[in-house]
Amino acid sequence: QQPVQSPQAVILREGEDAVINCSSSKALYSVHWYRQKHGEAPVFLMILLKGGEQKGHEKISASFNEKKQQSSLYLTASQLSYSGTYFCGTEINAGYKGTARQLTFGSGTQLTVLP
Amino acid sequence: DGGITQSPKYLFRKEGQNVTLSCEQNLNHDAMYWYRQDPGQGLRLIYYSQIVNDFQKGDIAEGYSVSREKKESFPLTVTSAQKNPTAFYLCASSMSLVNTEAFFGQGTRLTVV
Repeated sequence: QQPVQSPQAVILREGEDAVINCSSSKALYSVHWYRQKHGEAPVFLMILLKGGEQKGHEKISASFNEKKQQSSLYLTASQLSYSGTYFCGTEINAGYKGTARQLTFGSGTQLTVLP
Repeated sequence: DGGITQSPKYLFRKEGQNVTLSCEQNLNHDAMYWYRQDPGQGLRLIYYSQIVNDFQKGDIAEGYSVSREKKESFPLTVTSAQKNPTAFYLCASSMSLVNTEAFFGQGTRLTVV
C-alpha cells in the first residue's frame, strides 16, 4: 500500500520554509525521500531507518517517528532549485534473509519556489 | 560509468499489441523495480525482484509481466490486458541492504493509440 503524503502541493517564496509529511498504515523499517524535476528521474535525498533518527543535508532534513509510522521532510530557507516533486518511499521489511526489498512510494508533493 | 539504462525513451504502440520495455543496470545491484507514473498518482509499484528468476507483484501488476533471467536485466512487458497502458514507466535498482538508496533510470514514455 502506498504511503500518504501531504500536502499535495506547496508554493513558496525563496527563503521560506516548508514541511512535507508522509504516513503509513503499516509498521515501517525505513523511509526514503526523493526529488523529481519535470521530465527527469527521481533523485535520492536521504534514508531514515527505524530508531527515530533525524538526518540532514544542508538545509534539507528529515525525521522518522517509527511509533506513528510517520516521516517529515523539512526544507529550510528554500531556494529556487528546490522546486520539484518530492516523494517519500517506504519499506516494511529489512530486505534480508531472502526477503525482497519492496519500496513503495507516495503520490508526491509538488513544491514550487518563486523568486 | 555505472548506471541504469531504460530504452527506448519514447514508445508508441497500437492498442492490443504487447510491448516490452528494457531496463539494464551495471551497478551490480540485486534488487530491481518497475514503477508506473501517472499525473497526481505518484509512483506505483508494478513488479519487483531481489534475485535472478524470482520476482513479486507490486500494487498494480495486472496487465504486466516481467522476467529476471540475468541480474543486470529486468524487462517489463505491457500486455494487451492492461486497460490503460499510456503512462511514464520508471525502472529502479538498489543493493540488497535496506539502508541503501534506489537509483532510477530516465524512464520510458509509452503512448498507446
